[in-house]
Amino acid sequence: QKEVEQDPGPLSVPEGAIVSLNCTYSNSAFQYFMWYRQYSRKGPELLMYTYSSGNKEDGRFTAQVDKSSKYISLFIRDSQPSDSATYLCAMTSAPNTGNQFYFGTGTSLTVIP
Amino acid sequence: DSGVTQTPKHLITATGQRVTLRCSPRSGDLSVYWYQQSLDQGLQFLIQYYNGEERAKGNILERFSAQQFPDLHSELNLSSLELGDSALYFCASSLAGGPFYEQYFGPGTRLTVT
Repeated sequence: QKEVEQDPGPLSVPEGAIVSLNCTYSNSAFQYFMWYRQYSRKGPELLMYTYSSGNKEDGRFTAQVDKSSKYISLFIRDSQPSDSATYLCAMTSAPNTGNQFYFGTGTSLTVIP
Repeated sequence: DSGVTQTPKHLITATGQRVTLRCSPRSGDLSVYWYQQSLDQGLQFLIQYYNGEERAKGNILERFSAQQFPDLHSELNLSSLELGDSALYFCASSLAGGPFYEQYFGPGTRLTVT
């Protein structure tokens, strides 16, 4: 079983739709949860990170973590064509202390104008 | 532009060969990470260095090695290359030293093994 599972999609939505992206994980020691966006032929860039359970909002983006279900989500409101990219979830138990990062395989999103 | 540079951008080599990928972190960042991204495996963490010392190790093969030099640039050495090593190799850097610091990714090196 992989440490992190993510539906690869692809996901295609009309402009203005609400997008929900999800990951599940198996390691209950994970405490830091991240979402990255990766445009074609570019390196990933960090969108948001959360620590432990709860919600975090940043503009049109909301990250949710449910540690009891080992489930994390990223919601994109009022989606724009510029949001078209691959979204990767990532997690670790304790960054910068010798623990590695685990990434999902990414979900490809296309927002149609 | 993240401020992280990687060279070369593309590399084509034959099986059994050895290559070196180079990464220069953002100014002021002490930590460097290496990742391998392939279509079927996604982004795989290989290894992390902090201020010249190995900090964390992921799924890095014994044929692969890395180091971080005193000027903080890092090199990833891949030897006895196999077809399956063809992938995008990303370097990322972060300030490190605290509970969490954002990793900034470079543009990647695309390695093709023929």
